[in-house]
Amino acid sequence: DVKVTQSSRYLVKRTGEKVFLECVQDMDHENMFWYRQDPGLGLRLIYFSYDVKMKEKGDIPEGYSVSREKKERFSLILESASTNQTSMYLCASRQGAWGYGYTFGSGTRLTVV
Amino acid sequence: DQQVKQNSPSLSVQEGRISILNCDYTNSMFDYFLWYKKYPAEGPTFLISISSIKDKNEDGRFTVFLNKSAKHLSLHIVPSQPGDSAVYFCAASASGNEKLTFGTGTRLTIIP
Repeated sequence: DVKVTQSSRYLVKRTGEKVFLECVQDMDHENMFWYRQDPGLGLRLIYFSYDVKMKEKGDIPEGYSVSREKKERFSLILESASTNQTSMYLCASRQGAWGYGYTFGSGTRLTVV
Repeated sequence: DQQVKQNSPSLSVQEGRISILNCDYTNSMFDYFLWYKKYPAEGPTFLISISSIKDKNEDGRFTVFLNKSAKHLSLHIVPSQPGDSAVYFCAASASGNEKLTFGTGTRLTIIP
């Protein structure tokens, strides 16, 4: 089974801190994604990457950046954390055929105080 | 602008009965649709998908129906089981686009 691992389940950070969320997938997937999930808003795409060192903005990239130095690792960076970035963050990796959709990690619940 | 909408935030169904979850979309470029299931403290898991060349796809107890003219899809679960209690998200994509656009989710509760 493909596994997508997010390094932290829960994080509490202070306003203004730089925050790194790490995601690693153990298959040779080219495409990786970062979403955030908020009540009443569903899952919204922040950034995605279709290859090493490549990145594309999603629907809500403001306040975030990403890094993909290796194929298996995709990092989400909050440059200066703010309280409105308190959310559940989900990383996903895509299998080859659309029929199987994405494989998601278990999520990181980030609280910014 | 919510391109994929799930208008029912929650749904309760008796065990053994049929659960019907609905999803509407506005973007006519969408041609591939998926349903995901999410338990608390876990990531969403892929359930079933359908392409726009079909109007129905079945996988065991799960069937997805697509009505392109109405821009509407639905997920039928029959018979419903307690383990089906979860949040269900529909998602859509357009050919050549790597992105999935998700709906807001419907919390399904199966009553024993």
